Amino acid sequence: GAVVSQHPSWVICKSGTSVKIECRSLDFQATTMFWYRQFPKQSLMLMATSNEGSKATYEQGVEKDKFLINHASLTLSTLTVTSAHPEDSSFYICSARSGLAGIQRAYEQYFGPGTRLTVT
Amino acid sequence: RKEVEQDPGPFNVPEGATVAFNCTYSNSASQSFFWYRQDCRKEPKLLMSVYSSGNEDGRFTAQLNRASQYISLLIRDSKLSDSATYLCVVNRPGSARQLTFGSGTQLTVLP
Repeated sequence: GAVVSQHPSWVICKSGTSVKIECRSLDFQATTMFWYRQFPKQSLMLMATSNEGSKATYEQGVEKDKFLINHASLTLSTLTVTSAHPEDSSFYICSARSGLAGIQRAYEQYFGPGTRLTVT
Repeated sequence: RKEVEQDPGPFNVPEGATVAFNCTYSNSASQSFFWYRQDCRKEPKLLMSVYSSGNEDGRFTAQLNRASQYISLLIRDSKLSDSATYLCVVNRPGSARQLTFGSGTQLTVLP
């Protein structure tokens, strides 16, 4: 099946530093990847949609200058949290769309294992 | 109103029980529906798609009522390993193929 990897799986950083998270589709090409954030006991909130070779589309309320997204190839998207603060501590999860045909299959997303970010 | 609403639970049921989760969605233009399962501190994993006619996968049965904008998941003969949070997921109409996640229903199956 479709495998998505994410690196690192967890990171602790000091306030004010930047953190880069990588998301890779290992056995398929993903023209579209998604970045989500999940706070404890809450649902996944879509942060942005990452399209290969073009600018990411950010959800309302998500600062594009703070959460930099680069999708330079069909198998790699990166999220950089710039000048991280304690309130950015969260579980960041990427997903890649399967790209399969069919109204249901076209929406199926495969998730990376997530990155747990703690900003001290 | 939230785009996707679920009863947060928790549902605590004994092994072997049958349990049902409900979900409602607000956008009548949505056409694709899913149930995902998320274990504690892990990523969501696709459990099953939900088709208009209803569909079954082993002990799991999903139903869709478009008129009421209502989705359900039934788990029969619950196993300890079914303990997880179940996420109701609906597509956001548009070309970007985005998904909207419910806040999840927590299930604990007790021995």
